[in-house]
Amino acid sequence: EVQLLESGGDSVQPGGSLRLSCAASGFTFSSSAMRWVRQAPGKGLEWVSGITGSGETTYYADSVKGRFIISRDNSKSSLHLLMNSLRAEDTAVYYCAKDRGRGTRSFDYWGQGTLVTVSS
Amino acid sequence: QTVVTQEPSFSVSPGGTVTLTCGLSSDSVSTTYYPSWYQQTPGQAPRTLIYTTNTRSSGVPDRFSGSILGNKAALTITGAQAEDESNYYCLLYMGSGIYVFGTGTKVTVL
Repeated sequence: EVQLLESGGDSVQPGGSLRLSCAASGFTFSSSAMRWVRQAPGKGLEWVSGITGSGETTYYADSVKGRFIISRDNSKSSLHLLMNSLRAEDTAVYYCAKDRGRGTRSFDYWGQGTLVTVSS
Repeated sequence: QTVVTQEPSFSVSPGGTVTLTCGLSSDSVSTTYYPSWYQQTPGQAPRTLIYTTNTRSSGVPDRFSGSILGNKAALTITGAQAEDESNYYCLLYMGSGIYVFGTGTKVTVL
């Protein structure tokens, strides 16, 4: 059974940093691209970042480019998101999602999310 | 900035049919955008319904179907059930590893 479990969400002041993690199990982690998606309170879903299975290539939404860094540790089946220079508009539930693969350009499994609150 | 537009809300009667659409401000949506659809109830993680335009994810009832209608991607619910009352989001692949979600549609079944 595929499981994705996010952690690391917290309340932080504007300008601060936070590192989110996603522990994966039930599939060959190193073979799967992974994504981060967020949802601000009462708002829609927003794709944030993605990383290939090898970790060699990363992608970012314009809203977080230059501030967030996605990474992975395939030896520990874990995905990370380092968030720097946090702003109030980064307040959201952050989900990690597994790429379905095989060129489908879609996500098949999601974690339950972790809440990040940026406020003074 | 790419905007992917969905209807804000729809109301459908139990057993009725509703079609949600997903459009681009700057282009026609085609299969090359690999449209996928996700269902989310408040407080829950999204659930994948449809991928690559019209392929149902495992366990998704066949009352959900995906297509391209004109210049938009579409999700049709045929024979809506009370449990289909949710928010629905489309996702488009923009190339170069970039994705954009639609604005979302709230479906009410009553």
